[in-house]
Amino acid sequence: AQTVTQSQPEMSVQEAETVTLSCTYDTSESNYYLFWYKQPPSRQMILVIRQEAYKQQNATENRFSVNFQKAAKSFSLKISDSQLGDTAMYFCAFWRHNDMRFGAGTRLTVKP
Amino acid sequence: EPEVTQTPSHQVTQMGQEVILRCVPISNHLYFYWYRQILGQKVEFLVSFYNNEISEKSEIFDDQFSVERPDGSNFTLKIRSTKLEDSAMYFCASGRARNEQFFGPGTRLTVL
Repeated sequence: AQTVTQSQPEMSVQEAETVTLSCTYDTSESNYYLFWYKQPPSRQMILVIRQEAYKQQNATENRFSVNFQKAAKSFSLKISDSQLGDTAMYFCAFWRHNDMRFGAGTRLTVKP
Repeated sequence: EPEVTQTPSHQVTQMGQEVILRCVPISNHLYFYWYRQILGQKVEFLVSFYNNEISEKSEIFDDQFSVERPDGSNFTLKIRSTKLEDSAMYFCASGRARNEQFFGPGTRLTVL
């Protein structure tokens, strides 16, 4: 079974600075997808970024980028130029065979 | 921009009662999912649905749960006899392909 580990329950960052959230996973599969989802206080789940495991190039979406290390089974999220609206829970997720597994989440607070 | 919608936003029920949670996926999507999130815990996969049948389900999705796509637009989750531990946020998600999932805003289920 795939497991997803987020070792940082809480993090904080000053507005406009950069923060990196870590995620590791365990799988014997070679083809899979990895996601970062944001969950603001409204509790809606919002897709931040997606990475296909067969792609070596790290995904980027505006201020959000990932550092995908397949051999190390690591998938960290970097948020540049942090904004107050980035304050939320962030969940890392692993998808394979129609089954999405989530990590426990990291609560990120952006401070003014 | 099209969105997944869910109704009701909050459902309160008595233990032992049946509840039906409703979702309207994005119209051209083919893959449908239900997840739940007990307060303060990680998001957990319940079931995936494609081509009018269940494609994957987790150990949580026991005989008390069922899903249906009754009319080509709605996607429902039924809990036959609710238990206190069914209290959670229930998220519906849909995607055009198996590697994408757009989440709805969730239904908060409270079982008394």
